[in-house]
Amino acid sequence: GAVVSQHPSWVICKSGTSVKIECRSLDFQATTMFWYRQFPKQSLMLMATSNEGSKATYEQGVEKDKFLINHASLTLSTLTVTSAHPEDSSFYICSARAGRAGGPSRHVGELFFGEGSRLTVL
Amino acid sequence: GIQVEQSPPDLILQEGANSTLRCNFSDSVNNLQWFHQNPWGQLINLFYIPSGTKQNGRLSATTVATERYSLLYISSSQTTDSGVYFCAGAQGGSEKLVFGKGTKLTVNP
Repeated sequence: GAVVSQHPSWVICKSGTSVKIECRSLDFQATTMFWYRQFPKQSLMLMATSNEGSKATYEQGVEKDKFLINHASLTLSTLTVTSAHPEDSSFYICSARAGRAGGPSRHVGELFFGEGSRLTVL
Repeated sequence: GIQVEQSPPDLILQEGANSTLRCNFSDSVNNLQWFHQNPWGQLINLFYIPSGTKQNGRLSATTVATERYSLLYISSSQTTDSGVYFCAGAQGGSEKLVFGKGTKLTVNP
């Protein structure tokens, strides 16, 4: 399968600060990446679609000024949680879509996920 | 958008038992994937299966696209199979995967 890497794996910050999370596709180019959020014992909710070279598109109810997304290259998307508050504490996970097939372990359109980033805002 | 329902929400097995997890979709999908979320939160790709049947070791999956459901079979379960299993689908023309609420599997020794 494809490899998607996120950094940092976990971060603790003070309320009011900003936190940046990186998502990289290590062995394929990704024109589109997706950012999800997961609360404890709940499912994954799509936050936004990150498009290389253009603005991200946000799902309904997601504040674009709170969650800044930048997709500066075909292998990197970043999510910045601005002026973080305790209610922003969550597990953030990115994904990227394989654009090309790569044997039995990678299909066109298949999404691969990063390891996730656990954010705790004090 | 589509709705994804998974059943059962919780499943407890003894090691060695077999199980079937189900995923129903409210509309047809062109992308359907099964994942296992490990205790550290990482999503492991199990199957990309918009239709048909696939097998990988003790796991297999079947999607009946015309009836909008998919099944994940786990045979001879092991304690390491414990975790949450998610299915997710995307409608035609959309790349956005919509997730079900998951099935939490606990395999006891």
